[in-house]
Formats: sequence, structure tokens, C-alpha cells
Amino acid sequence: EAGVAQSPRYKIIEKRQSVAFWCNPISGHATLYWYQQILGQGPKLLIQFQNNGVVDDSQLPKDRFSAERLKGVDSTLKIQPAKLEDSAVYLCASSLGWVGVTQYNEQFFGPGTRLTVL
Amino acid sequence: EDKVVQSPLSLVVHEGDTVTLNCSYEVTNFRSLLWYKQEKKAPTFLFMLTSSGIEKKSGRLSSILDKKELFSILNITATQTGDSAIYLCAVSRGGGGADGLTFGKGTHLIIQP
Repeated sequence: EAGVAQSPRYKIIEKRQSVAFWCNPISGHATLYWYQQILGQGPKLLIQFQNNGVVDDSQLPKDRFSAERLKGVDSTLKIQPAKLEDSAVYLCASSLGWVGVTQYNEQFFGPGTRLTVL
Repeated sequence: EDKVVQSPLSLVVHEGDTVTLNCSYEVTNFRSLLWYKQEKKAPTFLFMLTSSGIEKKSGRLSSILDKKELFSILNITATQTGDSAIYLCAVSRGGGGADGLTFGKGTHLIIQP
């Protein structure tokens, strides 16, 4: 079974530039998450999708961050404009979600995109 | 606000030793506690715990949850250099579709040969 795919793996940009990250979850996983992991910290949830709908975006800095999952499969996360403090690893994760009356919420992570903002 | 505190933040032991990593939490409407191992890449799933007092085991790793005292431990016996990694503890909420994880800062474990 293929895992969560992310691209690019690394990105270096200057502050005030824009950047976009792509994620393809495990096949059949309805729930997709984006996390931000700053060096020395645990991952922090940015946004959660259930199919193509947003379930939780309470911690997403909406003035500069946006995310979409238009067809309920792939997702993109965008930062516009980037700030120095956005330097982090951006992790995408997916879980099976609800199957009948059972919720499967083990989350499986992709390799991440390491963003450096200069 | 949900909170996860891990201890110690770092630990250096020799190969063959047994280690115990701690995780305490505060979360509204607790659903589950998860442990992940993170090397120089994405976190890999180890265990998910939902019930108190039931130990989960996988080889030399085991974990248990205490929902009354709000903590969990991860034990690694007969440690090997390949166990060197950051171990992350996370909790999820129940009661609806929003189940994003709240992570602790992790325990950085170093196994010396």
C-alpha cells in the first residue's frame, strides 16, 4: 500500500514570496490533515478535511495560509506572503475516518516539505 | 486548550538498557492517545490507546494508558541504536468529526553503542 505522498521535499524562498505544497493521501482515506512542525516542537494542526469539506481550520493563519481539497483526494496548502517564522516542516497526514459507525483515526504521515524562508 | 507534556525532553542511555518515556495530558472530551517515532522524516505510528490499563505491545516496545491520572508511558526494553529517535505523544478529541492531534514536544532518545 502506497503511503502519503508530498511534494516538493524541500523549498527555499524569500520572505514575502508565495509557496504551495501538494499532498496525495493514502488511497481510500477520507480524512486529510496539514500540520506545521517548527524545529524542536511537536507538529501543530493547521487544517483538517473530511472528503472535500473543512472540519477544523481554527489554527490556520487565514490572513496568509489557505488550503483546498477540491475533489476530496489531493490537497494543496499555500502560503502568501511567507514570513520568516513560517520556516518549518509541513506534514500531511491521512486517516480512514468513519467506516459505518466506527471511526478509524490512526493518522499516517507523509515525508513532509521542509520550507526555509530567508 | 488541550495540552500534552512529555518527559524527559532528552535521554541518553546505553544499548541494552530499558527506558520509560512519560506523557501527561489535559484534553476536553478525550478520545485516544497516540505514540509516534520520528527519525529524520515523518512520524511513524507506534500505538493508539483508548482504554485504561490495557497494555499494547509490539516487539520490545509497550505502552499503557491511565485515564484517571491522565498519563501514558512508553517502554522500550533491550534498546538498540536503531531506537534512537524523537518519540512523540499526541491526543485526539472525540465527539464529532474534528480529531486533529495535539502533540507534545517529544522525547529525544539517544542510544549509545
